[in-house]
Amino acid sequence: DAKTTQPPSMDCAEGRAANLPCNHSTISGNEYVYWYRQIHSQGPQYIIHGLKNNETNEMASLIITEDRKSSTLILPHATLRDTAVYYCIVRSEILKTSYDKVIFGPGTSLSVIP
Amino acid sequence: DTGVSQDPRHKITKRGQNVTFRCDPISEHNRLYWYRQTLGQGPEFLTYFQNEAQLEKSRLLSDRFSAERPKGSFSTLEIQRTEQGDSAMYLCASSLLGGRQETQYFGPGTRLLVL
Repeated sequence: DAKTTQPPSMDCAEGRAANLPCNHSTISGNEYVYWYRQIHSQGPQYIIHGLKNNETNEMASLIITEDRKSSTLILPHATLRDTAVYYCIVRSEILKTSYDKVIFGPGTSLSVIP
Repeated sequence: DTGVSQDPRHKITKRGQNVTFRCDPISEHNRLYWYRQTLGQGPEFLTYFQNEAQLEKSRLLSDRFSAERPKGSFSTLEIQRTEQGDSAMYLCASSLLGGRQETQYFGPGTRLLVL
């Protein structure tokens, strides 16, 4: 089962920041938080991941709370092309450098509105 | 394009026929995963390979399903005697063991419709 809880849907106005929340209250110390998104009829696209520090790349920012029980994915200036299902995933380290398969939940369907 | 590729992108078949899908991973990636996604659901894990060895199979992978990765590069997923319930998107992903938290990168998927 997925170890995360996300709202089923959200709306965001085009040009505004989209803040997508995720709860992972049972996360353990060696588990990473991953975000993927899936645009309709395409394969999932990797966005970003992190352990405990905030992370930023060209696509998004990931803010992880100090207790690591929740996180927020931020798309700073949402465009219509960001309309997609966003999956928040917790991945376990099985062995040193080896990680478990990705277990997807239902995700959050983000609609960016003109 | 150096990403994960899948072929075909779409397949329509009649119930009872066999189908085979191909996945070409990112060239240096030694792990390859297959997932299945039905409408409105997130992808579900089916199986994965490390090089040519199949290391894990989900209980979703019935006896009619078989996957191979003979030379540790591309992989095939075959479904024998297809059923209407096999209609889904089949996704392939690859990763580099020992790479940055072994991030998985997905292909575009093969959409199967069984009539």
